[in-house]
Order: sequence, then C-alpha cells, then structure tokens
Amino acid sequence: GESVGLHLPTLSVQEGDNSIINCAYSNSASDYFIWYKQESGKGPQFIIDIRSNMDKRQGQRVTVLLNKTVKHLSLQIAATQPGDSAVYFCAENMGGGGNKLTFGTGTQLKVEL
Amino acid sequence: GAGVSQSPSNKVTEKGKDVELRCDPISGHTALYWYRQRLGQGLEFLIYFQGNSAPDKSGLPSDRFSAERTGESVSTLTIQRTQQEDSAVYLCASSPQGWGDYGYTFGSGTRLTVV
Repeated sequence: GESVGLHLPTLSVQEGDNSIINCAYSNSASDYFIWYKQESGKGPQFIIDIRSNMDKRQGQRVTVLLNKTVKHLSLQIAATQPGDSAVYFCAENMGGGGNKLTFGTGTQLKVEL
Repeated sequence: GAGVSQSPSNKVTEKGKDVELRCDPISGHTALYWYRQRLGQGLEFLIYFQGNSAPDKSGLPSDRFSAERTGESVSTLTIQRTQQEDSAVYLCASSPQGWGDYGYTFGSGTRLTVV
C-alpha cells in the first residue's frame, strides 16, 4: 500500500551545524505535505508545510524542499540548537478532498553540544 | 480554549476494562482526528470527523474501538475490553474547514497503559 517513510531513524548533529531530515513518499496523488516536531511527552507541533505546486518553502530557520520527480521531501534546519532535539515526522495528504494525514515513522534528531 | 485539550493525560487500566478518552478541539475547528502512537513509532490514523459528514472510521483497528463527536465540539474515543496491545498514546487533533497554513493542531495526548 501507499506509505510515507524516512531514510534515517536517528540523526546526530553538532550545535550550530545545519540539519537535513529526509522523507520518501510513494503516493503521487499527495498534494500537501507537513513537517511536525514532537518533543518528549508532547503532541506533534506544526513546523512548516508545502503544497505540491511548490518545490521550496522557507520559514524561520527551516526550509522544506519537495522533489516530486523522485517523491522526496526534506526538512533543513539552519544553525541547529539544543532545543531542536526532538522526533521529526513528515506527513502527507493524499488528496481526494479529505484532510486525513498519513505520517511517517519519524527521525530522532539529537543535537550535541 | 486556546489549544486542543485531552483528558485524562494518563490512564492505567486493567485488561478487559473499558476506557473513555476525551478530546476538546479548538473552538471553530470543524475537523477532528484521533491517532494512536505506540512507543517509538509514528502516528497511526484511527478516525476522522468533518462537520456533519459521516466519520471516516477506516483506521479503527477492531470493533472494540469506537468514537463519537457531538456537533463540532467534544469527541470521545472508547476502547472496550482493553488489551495490552492497546497501550499507547492516543492523540487528538483538530483543524479548520480548510488547511490554512498550519495543518492540524494536536493535543498532548492520553497515555494509556493496560496492565
């Protein structure tokens, strides 16, 4: 069946470095993608989203890139800080008019001081 | 309220008992979702309510699971005859009619432990 998956389950970076978290999706009908951050004991928190008619979107210290040709999504975090340590999920909406999101397994980002 | 509120935050129950989990969505949000998250895993879709439309129940894992929503307000997820494999964090989220620029807003979840 269709699924969203992440390439790396754990990513360790040095404080101040840039982080890149990757996600592969398999449903070419997906038209909306979101990255969420989940800290321990909390619900997922929206970071940034992108629609399928775009290939890049920037937020504060974060950038999402969408490559529809290879069905790949990435989240770039600039100047990674200790507070960025969390699990990051990508999610896709498969279109069809519904608002149901399908989530990937998640990547644990660890920021080393 | 300002965010999505879930109660209880933690629930320990004995195997075979029924449990009810509550979700108060953000006022004005017409869509409400329930997800399950097992330890160290991603979010598993359970059920989705949108306004007065019939709910999308396609993610409910068995007939022991059910959910109700009163209008566009509170939702209750009920698990009957709980099993140990039901142990997980149950997350509720809400969103406005359209996506807006923020997708879902999640609550902090209910951590269910079946012993």
